[in-house]
Parts: sequence; structure tokens; C-alpha cells
Amino acid sequence: DAGVIQSPRHEVTEMGQEVTLRCKPISGHNSLFWYRQTMMRGLELLIYFNNNVPIDDSGMPEDRFSAKMPNASFSTLKIQPSEPRDSAVYFCASNKGLASSTDTQYFGPGTRLTVL
Amino acid sequence: AQSVTQPDIHITVSEGASLELRCNYSYGATPYLFWYVQSPGQGLQLLLKYFSGDTLVQGIKGFEAEFKRSQSSFNLRKPSVHWSDAAEYFCAVGGSGNTGKLIFGQGTTLQVKP
Repeated sequence: DAGVIQSPRHEVTEMGQEVTLRCKPISGHNSLFWYRQTMMRGLELLIYFNNNVPIDDSGMPEDRFSAKMPNASFSTLKIQPSEPRDSAVYFCASNKGLASSTDTQYFGPGTRLTVL
Repeated sequence: AQSVTQPDIHITVSEGASLELRCNYSYGATPYLFWYVQSPGQGLQLLLKYFSGDTLVQGIKGFEAEFKRSQSSFNLRKPSVHWSDAAEYFCAVGGSGNTGKLIFGQGTTLQVKP
């Protein structure tokens, strides 16, 4: 299996621009998670989906952030408008179960976002 | 509230020496505990996990961890560290119930001296 795929791997944009991060989970996995990693705040869960349905978005920082999962093999995280404080590494992860806490989450390589 | 504390931000050990990374958690119910490793520029990879049974858990790459409920700890150990173990290590806690949400610690960066 190819693992969790994220694109782009690096993104540099200017403040105010829209940014879209993409994720393809492992085939057959039913849950998908978006995380943000920064030096100051560590690894934070932003949102997760079960069977393409958003279950908990309490970690989404503000209305500028939105996430969708139109089908089982694709998810997007959008930031509009972007701000310098959004600079971070964004990880997508998936697991097999319906968000069972015992399942292993498999992480993608991350997207490093820099907002100038 | 659920939380995970990794008291050591940075640890340096010599190659061949033993290693222990500390993790303390706060969770009101039965915790599910995980250790992940992150190599530079990579995503996180699961080393091991615990949710029931034997409190000493074996993982990949020669790592093990011991769950101690009385101390609310889940420390990671390795008897002999290799240079390739240099990475960042994250402890995480999830819970019973079908939430799937993991709370991660701040991470411990391991440096290995030759």
C-alpha cells in the first residue's frame, strides 16, 4: 500500500491567499484525521471524519479553516484567507476503524506551509 | 481534562547506552496509550500501543514501554540505542469509547552521540 498521501509537500504563499491541502487516506480506512504541528503548540488535532462525515471539528482554530471529505479516498483542508500564524506542518492520518481509539493511526508525510 | 506530559524536551544519549523516555498522562477512564516516532521531515510512525493485558508492551525497533497505572505513566525504553534512533518521540493517549481522538504530548527529541 502507498500509505497516506499528502500534497503538496511544501507550500509557500502570501498572507491573504487561499491555501488548499490535500490528503488521500489508505484504501479501506474509514477514519481520517487532520493535525497541525508547530513548535509552540505541538501536535494538535484539527478535525476528524468517520465514513466521510465530520465528527469533531472542535480543534479547528477559526472560521478561516474548513475541511471536507467528499468521498472515502480524498479530503481537503482549506485556509481562506491565510495568515502568517498559520505557518506549520499539517498532517493527515487515517485508521481502519470507525474512530476506534485502539486503532493505529497512519500518518502522511505532512505539508509544510509557510505564509509570508 | 485529558492531557499528556513528556517532561523531557531534549535528551542526549551515547550510542549503545540504554534509553528511557518519560510520559505521564491524565485521563479519567481507561487510557489507551501510544508511542509514536517522527524522523526529520517525516510523518509519525507507531512504535507500540497499550490498551489492556500485559502492562509491558513490546514494539518495533527494539522498543518497549511499561504501563504503570499507580504512577499514571507509560515510559518508553530501549536497552541499547542506535544512531538511527535519533528522532522525536511522542506519547499519546486515547480513551475507551468510540472517539478516535488522540491527545499528544509535546514530544521528546532524542540525540544520539557516537
